Order: sequence, then C-alpha cells, then structure tokens
Amino acid sequence: DIQMTQSPSSVSASLGDRVTITCRASQDINIWLAWYQQKPGKAPKLLISAASSLQSGVPSRFSGSGSGTDFTLTISTLQPEDFATYYCQQANSFPITFGGGSKVEIK
Amino acid sequence: QVTLKESGPVLVKPTETLTLTCTVSGFSLSSARMGVSWIRQPPGKALEWLAHISSNDEKSYSTSLKNRLTISKATSKSQVVLAMTNMDPVDTATYYCARWFSGSPPDYFDYWGQGTLVTVSS
Repeated sequence: DIQMTQSPSSVSASLGDRVTITCRASQDINIWLAWYQQKPGKAPKLLISAASSLQSGVPSRFSGSGSGTDFTLTISTLQPEDFATYYCQQANSFPITFGGGSKVEIK
Repeated sequence: QVTLKESGPVLVKPTETLTLTCTVSGFSLSSARMGVSWIRQPPGKALEWLAHISSNDEKSYSTSLKNRLTISKATSKSQVVLAMTNMDPVDTATYYCARWFSGSPPDYFDYWGQGTLVTVSS
C-alpha cells in the first residue's frame, strides 16, 4: 500500500497568514493526488485534484503543487472559513490511502 | 443533483456484522467512470478508506480489513451495500460513502454522503 504522510499535523495561524501543508507519498504517484477540506461534523470537500487542479467554486487562495512523492497545499491568505482539517489522498492506485490530516487552527 | 445517503444501525454489538447501505441519486451506478467507495472516520481521527465498487462491478478492499469486508451493489435500486463482520469497539466511527469519478484521469471523490455514526458497544 502507498503510505501518505502529512505535516504538520496541526498549525496555528492568524487571519491573513500564508499556510503551507505538505504531503509525502511512500512511492511515486505522479500527479495523482487530491486535497480535501473537512469541517467539524461535515463530510470532506474536494479542493484540488491532480495535485494542482482547483475544483470549480474553490477560492483561488488555495493552490496545490508537486509531483512524484512530494506535494504541498498552500492557502495564500487565511480566511475565517479556512479553519478546518485538510487531508491528502493518493489517487494513483487501489487501495486508496489518505494522509493523517492537518488541522489549521486559529492562533 | 448528485446525492448519496448512508443508512444502517447506529449501534451494533461486538462480534456482530454491520450492514450499511448507500443510496445514491443523480447518477447511475452503471455509468462509466463512476464508482462508489466506503470511507470511515473514528471520532477525532483521520479518514480511512475501506472498499470500492466500480461501474463494471470490480471491487477493491482495504488491505488490513479485506477479510472482514464485502461490498456489493444493486444498480436498479441505486444502492451500494457494505458488510463488515466481527465488529469491535475500535470500529466505532462515522461511515461515509462517496462517489469516485474516474477522469481521463484524474480520479477523485467528488460527492460524499453526510455520514452515519456507528457505535460498537455491548
């Protein structure tokens, strides 16, 4: 199975801050990585597919990059609605695997 | 409008078999490029993928849980069913079903159900 490792597991940030979350795959997954946002009590929401393709309706302050084994999710200017937990997920092959999550908290 | 809704027991006893149903609307389970997965999340913990069934009935399972899982679908009823045997308190979690869209690629989960909390306790 492909292991997905996210860091940091939590980050405290202020409104307007730039936040970067990293995700590392245990083997080459090309660009087949997705990012999801999850708020308490809600289902995850797809933000980015294919490492950097922003889903329709997702604010442009979110961006993704990377290929191979190393990926990043960046929130350029943190907004109140961005406080949530973010998960990466490899879409290269089954079994599908998720990262352990990165919680963005208010400083 | 695509929707998915999970249903099943909220409480199961240890050693029992859990059966969950995902009822979908807005798309067909036989549509090419569409599949459905089950994913769970223990309270306060990360997402864990469990099982997947594709439009042509191919099935995939979590390596660690494959001996306990069975996924199936009833296309005419727009339902995907997950059975998990020998339930244990550590299986207490919110269980989600999600639609898997197979692009050119990319592939991703584009729609999720609201989730259903299942507690395992005697």
